Amino acid sequence: DTAVSQTPKYLVTQMGNDKSIKCEQNLGHDTMYWYKQDSKKFLKIMFSYNNKELIINETVPNRFSPKSPDKAHLNLHINSLELGDSAVYFCASSQDILQPQHFGDGTRLSIL
Amino acid sequence: AQSVTQLDSQVPVFEEAPVELRCNYSSSVSVYLFWYVQYPNQGLQLLLKYLSGSTLVKGINGFEAEFNKSQTSFHLRKPSVHISDTAEYFCAVSVRSGANNLFFGTGTRLTVIP
Repeated sequence: DTAVSQTPKYLVTQMGNDKSIKCEQNLGHDTMYWYKQDSKKFLKIMFSYNNKELIINETVPNRFSPKSPDKAHLNLHINSLELGDSAVYFCASSQDILQPQHFGDGTRLSIL
Repeated sequence: AQSVTQLDSQVPVFEEAPVELRCNYSSSVSVYLFWYVQYPNQGLQLLLKYLSGSTLVKGINGFEAEFNKSQTSFHLRKPSVHISDTAEYFCAVSVRSGANNLFFGTGTRLTVIP
């Protein structure tokens, strides 16, 4: 069973479009995260949610909005996509600060 | 603020040779330390972690790392690498208080040469 699953795995779209990436975890974890990995493999935290409340919101454009319908899901919605949004987006979850984060396989977003 | 430096972007090593991947961190508060591995087209998998206690930490796949507080380092080692160890390795830290926010280094590409 997949612990952290993301859909879609690949997403190719044009500039200006709005898209969403879904994430689900079946580990019963309290906290979920979104990371962005750029073309140089650099990973940076974007958001984290704890019990449906946003607890971290790094300096990302407000075109990015996390949505958490319940504790097991944290979706990422992106408005007005730009070329610079091309990256691999990873979802992760953890139980608490002492526990490691479990990562999904990533969503490769390509903007044409 | 926290930061992580992985000095080597690429490390080629022959099969069955030992390897060390270097990681240094900077933080004004106590941190937890992690090494993650990323195989091609996959997400990150935890190799090992240091939370407290013994400074020598053993992880999966024969890897180990040693926390050195005075040198603010957490280098990853393996005495004998295999072809299957070829991957990207990321060092990360999180602070001991507040949100469990991982700060990653820029990664080290380990290539094992047959």
